[in-house]
Amino acid sequence: TQLLEQSPQFLSIQEGENLTVYCNSSSVFSSLQWYRQEPGEGPVLLVTVVTGGEVKKLKRLTFQFGDARKDSSLHITAAQPGDTGLYLCAGVETSGSRLTFGEGTQLTVNP
Amino acid sequence: NAGVTQTPKFRVLKTGQSMTLLCAQDMNHEYMYWYRQDPGMGLRLIHYSVGEGTTAKGEVPDGYNVSRLKKQNFLLGLESAAPSQTSVYFCASRRSGDTRNYGYTFGSGTRLTVV
Repeated sequence: TQLLEQSPQFLSIQEGENLTVYCNSSSVFSSLQWYRQEPGEGPVLLVTVVTGGEVKKLKRLTFQFGDARKDSSLHITAAQPGDTGLYLCAGVETSGSRLTFGEGTQLTVNP
Repeated sequence: NAGVTQTPKFRVLKTGQSMTLLCAQDMNHEYMYWYRQDPGMGLRLIHYSVGEGTTAKGEVPDGYNVSRLKKQNFLLGLESAAPSQTSVYFCASRRSGDTRNYGYTFGSGTRLTVV
């Protein structure tokens, strides 16, 4: 199983601040997915990045896949309380059929 | 369109008891997965299935069994529950095809406590 390390594990910020979450591995992944999970619910897919160096934007969220396809980052601009949740990165293994998850980043945005 | 439905949502078991968790999806997805989620450990794959009648072991399969008799259903069984199996269990599914581009659809989870 290929491993993914996510940092930080916890992040508490004030509304309007910017933040970045990192997802790193020593292994190459076919693609990287980012999910957001709210209490009592399952993860919901935010984005998939496939190509090394790829950048995708989803409103105030910017996702980047590393050139070597071993790491990814999620940057949130001007965070809002509605962004509060558990953010999970997940890598599609090169074998193709399985998804490996990072430990998650619990984000709290205070009003 | 219900997506992925898990039953039950909550369950308390005594050590040694058995139970089955049911996952049903109505999206005609080929692939189905069972994960457990524990604090600080993310989601860990228990078993998965790449099609009706097939199953395979994931990262943490010990103490669990699965069956995929129908394409839309994926059952997770605990034959003799242990306190270490206290966790939140998630079922997920995805369509077949280019793995890189297709995300998983998750159910809302089953919170299991073994006492």
